[in-house]
Amino acid sequence: DARVTQTPRHKVTEMGQEVTMRCQPILGHNTVFWYRQTMMQGLELLAYFRNRAPLDDSGMPKDRFSAEMPDATLATLKIQPSEPRDSAVYFCASGLVRLVSYEQYFGPGTRLTVT
Amino acid sequence: GDSVTQMEGPVTLSEEAFLTINCTYTATGYPSLFWYVQYPGEGLQLLLKATKADDKGSNKGFEATYRKETTSFHLEKGSVQVSDSAVYFCALSDQVDDYKLSFGAGTTVTVRA
Repeated sequence: DARVTQTPRHKVTEMGQEVTMRCQPILGHNTVFWYRQTMMQGLELLAYFRNRAPLDDSGMPKDRFSAEMPDATLATLKIQPSEPRDSAVYFCASGLVRLVSYEQYFGPGTRLTVT
Repeated sequence: GDSVTQMEGPVTLSEEAFLTINCTYTATGYPSLFWYVQYPGEGLQLLLKATKADDKGSNKGFEATYRKETTSFHLEKGSVQVSDSAVYFCALSDQVDDYKLSFGAGTTVTVRA
């Protein structure tokens, strides 16, 4: 049963610290997404990649957030420096683009708390 | 741009009651439509989908029909269980927008025994 995995599942850190979240997409999927979920804003798309190339990161605060895919099995989202307003659940999702449509499969999320 | 509007919650039901969550969409192309479900503490899971007009998606007793004439994709279940308590998200993806998902705000459903 193929799944998207994310680490860590929970992270508590102090303001100003660097945070790195990791995602392993489903093998064979060519598109990877990063989302942020908060009570106030709901689900927000932060960035996404296709075939490891970044296609859109307009949803991310550019000064502190960065997303990369060093290889096909790993996507990372980094926040430096972190701020309390970054507290949220961060989801990674992957999918395989097909001719008509495709589904996105979500990981369990990383719950980030910045104090 | 593409957008999804879904019924606001929260919705509270008794076990075995009928559930409907309304969802309407706006899209420039011919989108695919999805319902995702999020159980407490978990990520989103695909519940069902429909890729063209008049398609019916179904899974776990849930159904939704893609209605192009009313731009709707309402979710229904005839007899809910306590285990159906979750947040339900309507979403669409459109080739025009490179298949990115546009989500509704989510509807929290609580089923009481």
